[in-house]
Amino acid sequence: EAGVAQSPRYKIIEKRQSVAFWCNPISGHATLYWYQQILGQGPKLLIQFQNNGVVDDSQLPKDRFSAERLKGVDSTLKIQPAKLEDSAVYLCASSFGQGPYGYTFGSGTRLTVV
Amino acid sequence: AQTVTQSQPEMSVQEAETVTLSCTYDTSESDYYLFWYKQPPSRQMILVIRQEAYKQQNATENRFSVNFQKAAKSFSLKISDSQLGDAAMYFCAYRRGHGGSQGNLIFGKGTKLSVKP
Repeated sequence: EAGVAQSPRYKIIEKRQSVAFWCNPISGHATLYWYQQILGQGPKLLIQFQNNGVVDDSQLPKDRFSAERLKGVDSTLKIQPAKLEDSAVYLCASSFGQGPYGYTFGSGTRLTVV
Repeated sequence: AQTVTQSQPEMSVQEAETVTLSCTYDTSESDYYLFWYKQPPSRQMILVIRQEAYKQQNATENRFSVNFQKAAKSFSLKISDSQLGDAAMYFCAYRRGHGGSQGNLIFGKGTKLSVKP
């Protein structure tokens, strides 16, 4: 079974620039999550999708962050404009349903904002 | 709101020895799940072990076992016969028992485990 694919693996941008991350979940997984992991902390949920609908985006800074999941498969997370404090690892995860099992993470994108 | 606390930022263990990582959590829910994840330098979060709150029996997966104390809201991870490959960040995580918007994981800050040869 192929895992959760994420790209790019690393990204360095200047503050106020924009950036986009891509995630391809495991085939058949209806639920997709984006987490932000700041250095020295545990991951924090940014947004949760069920198919192509948003289930929870309460912790997404909507003034600069946006995410979409067209056709209920791939997902893109965008930051515009980026701030220094957005430097973090952005992890994507997917699960078959909304239950606690079968939760698979990707390897993440490490973003550095300078 | 639910919180997860890992009070040990770093731990060290000798190869083949046993180490215990601590985790406490706070919740008013009765139905929930607890997890330990391992995050090596590759950054991918790997599930080590999970525990359903309604089960009294402690979960075990090969060399990994938990001590789940529901009343004390404590969920520690014991690694027996530690191996060099066990070196990583370990995160304790909580998830509410129902689906929907409760499906996400709430993580602690992690414990960095070093294994000495």
